[in-house]
Amino acid sequence: DQQVKQNSPSLSVQEGRISILNCDYTNSMFDYFLWYKKYPAEGPTFLISISSIKDKNEDGRFTVFLNKSAKHLSLHIVPSQPGDSAVYFCAAKRRGGADGLTFGKGTHLIIQP
Amino acid sequence: NAGVTQTPKFRILKIGQSMTLQCTQDMNHNYMYWYRQDPGMGLKLIYYSVGAGITDKGEVPNGYNVSRSTTEDFPLRLELAAPSQTSVYFCASSPRGGALNTEAFFGQGTRLTVV
Repeated sequence: DQQVKQNSPSLSVQEGRISILNCDYTNSMFDYFLWYKKYPAEGPTFLISISSIKDKNEDGRFTVFLNKSAKHLSLHIVPSQPGDSAVYFCAAKRRGGADGLTFGKGTHLIIQP
Repeated sequence: NAGVTQTPKFRILKIGQSMTLQCTQDMNHNYMYWYRQDPGMGLKLIYYSVGAGITDKGEVPNGYNVSRSTTEDFPLRLELAAPSQTSVYFCASSPRGGALNTEAFFGQGTRLTVV
C-alpha cells in the first residue's frame, strides 16, 4: 500500500520552461512534506519542504504547493536548467513521528536543451 | 564538512555471508536512519534510532540488525545474506524528529549485490 505516490516515472521539459512534478499521498497523519533530488551514484539531497499549515513555500527557482483537501503536492521549477536533470523524490513525515520519511518512487526529470 | 559517511561504497556478497555496513555522521545529530532503495522504487526504512542506545524497526527490518553505541555511528548488520537484499543502502541523519520537523541528510550510499 503506497502512501506516497508519484505517478509519473519520467518527465521531459525544455530548458527555460517550467517543470511541474506531482505527488499524491493517502495518509492523513502526514504533516510535513519534502522534496529530494538525486543524481546517479549519489545520496538524495534535500531541496525544499512544506509544513501542512502552509499551502506554498518558495526558495529561488523552486516552489512547492500543497493542497491538503486533495492530498496533493507539486514542485515547480522555473526556469528549468540542465543541472536540474535528476530523479526527484517526494517524501512525507507523520505528525509526531520519529520513524523517518515515507518516500514516493521518484520522477526522473530530463531537461532538454 | 564530511556530513554522513558510508563505507563501503560497493560490495559483492555470496549467499549466506554476513557483513556490516558502516555509517558515521559528524553533525551531532540524534536521529539516524537506514533505508534501502530497490530499482525503480522509493526508499524504504529498515531501522532507525532516536539516540545512542535506542533503536527501532522500520518498514522492512527482516534480515538486518543495528546498534547505536555512540551518537556518531549507526552500523547495519546483514546476517546470512540473501539475493533479496541486493539493493542500494542509504544512511541518513537528522538533528530533530518527532514533533519538530526538519530534513534528513543522506550519505552517498552502499551498493550491495548478493550472488
